[in-house]
Amino acid sequence: QSALTQPASVSGSPGQSITISCTGTNSDVGGYNYVSWYQQHPGKAPKLMIYEVTNRPSGVSNRFSGSKSGNKASLTISGLQAEDEADYYCISYTSSSTPYVFGTGTRVSVL
Amino acid sequence: QVQLQESGPGLVKPSQTLSLTCTVSGGSFSSDKYYWSWIRQPPGKGLEWIGYIYYSGYTYYNASLKSRLTMSLDTSKNQFSLKLSSVTAADTAVYYCARASDPITIEDWGQGTLVTVSS
Repeated sequence: QSALTQPASVSGSPGQSITISCTGTNSDVGGYNYVSWYQQHPGKAPKLMIYEVTNRPSGVSNRFSGSKSGNKASLTISGLQAEDEADYYCISYTSSSTPYVFGTGTRVSVL
Repeated sequence: QVQLQESGPGLVKPSQTLSLTCTVSGGSFSSDKYYWSWIRQPPGKGLEWIGYIYYSGYTYYNASLKSRLTMSLDTSKNQFSLKLSSVTAADTAVYYCARASDPITIEDWGQGTLVTVSS
């Protein structure tokens, strides 16, 4: 099972909105409403930001939102802040022999 | 607030078995609500889902690791463990233990432990 495809990097200025894509197939992202997103700062464990495509855990800023269209899931960060600079990973359920697959990861830079 | 802590050797020789334990504190370990999971991250690379063990002992593994992987849990010690046999340099990674309410909704993570495979 190949990793889901994410852009290597996305950047934006403070206050702007950015969107990170997570592209898969009908066998994973497109087939199930079962995608999560994680934020990882250098040297730290990942943090859950979005689950089941659109749901935000308590304590996560409402500047983070998730969506899905066809085989592509997206994470949008609005009102970009310096603290949002981190790596972001999606993960989806998949119907393959390994049931869960991460995306390739996206480095977000705040200019 | 649940806390998870990985422990185990930081250096393993090629062809040997990598063994890690995750100790859980501050939460209900025997609850049927959680999947006790392992995720790894090679230095400078992305995350890889390794597998999970459910409170009942049911396991589900990454197919690419399945032949070398064993997970277990010890409810009396609030611990769960991972054993990966016949390791190579490709198994060098930071290994995270985690608690998930479903296999990809991972709310709680250990700090991670670096395991290097080298002679």
